Amino acid sequence: AQSVTQLDSHVSVSEGTPVLLRCNYSSSYSPSLFWYVQHPNKGLQLLLKYTSAATLVKGINGFEAEFKKSETSFHLTKPSAHMSDAAEYFCVVSDGIWTGFQKLVFGTGTRLLVSP
Amino acid sequence: GAVVSQHPSWVICKSGTSVKIECRSLDFQATTMFWYRQFPKQSLMLMATSNEGSKATYEQGVEKDKFLINHASLTLSTLTVTSAHPEDSSFYICSAQGRDEQYFGPGTRLTVT
Repeated sequence: AQSVTQLDSHVSVSEGTPVLLRCNYSSSYSPSLFWYVQHPNKGLQLLLKYTSAATLVKGINGFEAEFKKSETSFHLTKPSAHMSDAAEYFCVVSDGIWTGFQKLVFGTGTRLLVSP
Repeated sequence: GAVVSQHPSWVICKSGTSVKIECRSLDFQATTMFWYRQFPKQSLMLMATSNEGSKATYEQGVEKDKFLINHASLTLSTLTVTSAHPEDSSFYICSAQGRDEQYFGPGTRLTVT
């Protein structure tokens, strides 16, 4: 079975400083890993995904994440936070097996707060 | 990108009544759609996988007679909460499987009084 652990329920940063949102995963298979962002009253948006290609994955809005198998981690980073980055972020794992669709398992989420 | 809509965005119903939530893929066809439930300040829990033209597959612990899912076309899946009770109050989110990723709707806030 797959699972993800998001180590921080809340992360507070100042605008212009780096962002680090931590995620550890557990999977019986070679996993696919995702980061989604949820803004209030909007659907979840995919930031980036890892599917066994390059271990450093670049996503939208300047975010990136590095897949580290030895540490079973997939932390999300951004060099410089913007006020618009304030939202809920979910680390998500799938078993990587494509059968026409993939079932996703969500972490508990990390709320990113950005102060001016 | 692909767009998924949900209707209504919020609904209040009385205990014992049923409420239907629609999930539509607006610019693509989706053989598979998913229904999730999100409790306040918590994660999304997969309730069921909905396949067009066949019965939905429910996750363990989800009552299929309580949460009726119909996926009658490649662009529409519906979730009906039957005989709703206050404990069914929650945020319900659907997603549609695209070619490479799932696209999520904005969610429906259900309040049962």
